Amino acid sequence: AQTVTQSQPEMSVQEAETVTLSCTYDTSENNYYLFWYKQPPSRQMILVIRQEAYKQQNATENRFSVNFQKAAKSFSLKISDSQLGDTAMYFCAFMKPFNSGGSNYKLTFGKGTLLTVNP
Amino acid sequence: GAVVSQHPSWVICKSGTSVKIECRSLDFQATTMFWYRQFPKQSLMLMATSNEGSKATYEQGVEKDKFLINHASLTLSTLTVTSAHPEDSSFYICSARQSGGGYGYTFGSGTRLTVV
Repeated sequence: AQTVTQSQPEMSVQEAETVTLSCTYDTSENNYYLFWYKQPPSRQMILVIRQEAYKQQNATENRFSVNFQKAAKSFSLKISDSQLGDTAMYFCAFMKPFNSGGSNYKLTFGKGTLLTVNP
Repeated sequence: GAVVSQHPSWVICKSGTSVKIECRSLDFQATTMFWYRQFPKQSLMLMATSNEGSKATYEQGVEKDKFLINHASLTLSTLTVTSAHPEDSSFYICSARQSGGGYGYTFGSGTRLTVV
């Protein structure tokens, strides 16, 4: 079974600064998908960024980028130029493809990191 | 973009009654929908996976008879909490995967259930 570990329960950052959230995972699969989701106080889950394991290039989405280290099974999220609206719970998630043991596209979530952006 | 509508957003019910939560994909067909439960300040716990036209697959430890899931069409899945008790109070979230949509998921806005 896959496990996802987020070792930072809470973090804070000053507005306009950069912050990195950590995520490690454990799997025996070679091909899989990794995600970062954001859950603001509204509790709506929002996809921040996605990475396919077969791609060596790190995914980027505007101010959000990842550092994907496959050998180390690490998938950290970097938020640049932090904004007040980035305040939220951030979840790292793992998914193995459908054809890998009938997982049926299930997401395995980490416990989350509560990020607070201070003015 | 893909939108999933979840209703109601909150509900209060008396102990012993049943509550139905709906999850609809508004602009796409969802062959697979997932139901999660989330306690305050905790992660999402997958309860079950529902596939259109077939029985739901429940995660270990989830009571099938208490949490009834129906996925009767490609755009609608329902979760019914039967004979609700205060310990069933929680935040329930659904998500849907687009058929042929690669590995994208869309989440509903969640339902806060309070059983009194």
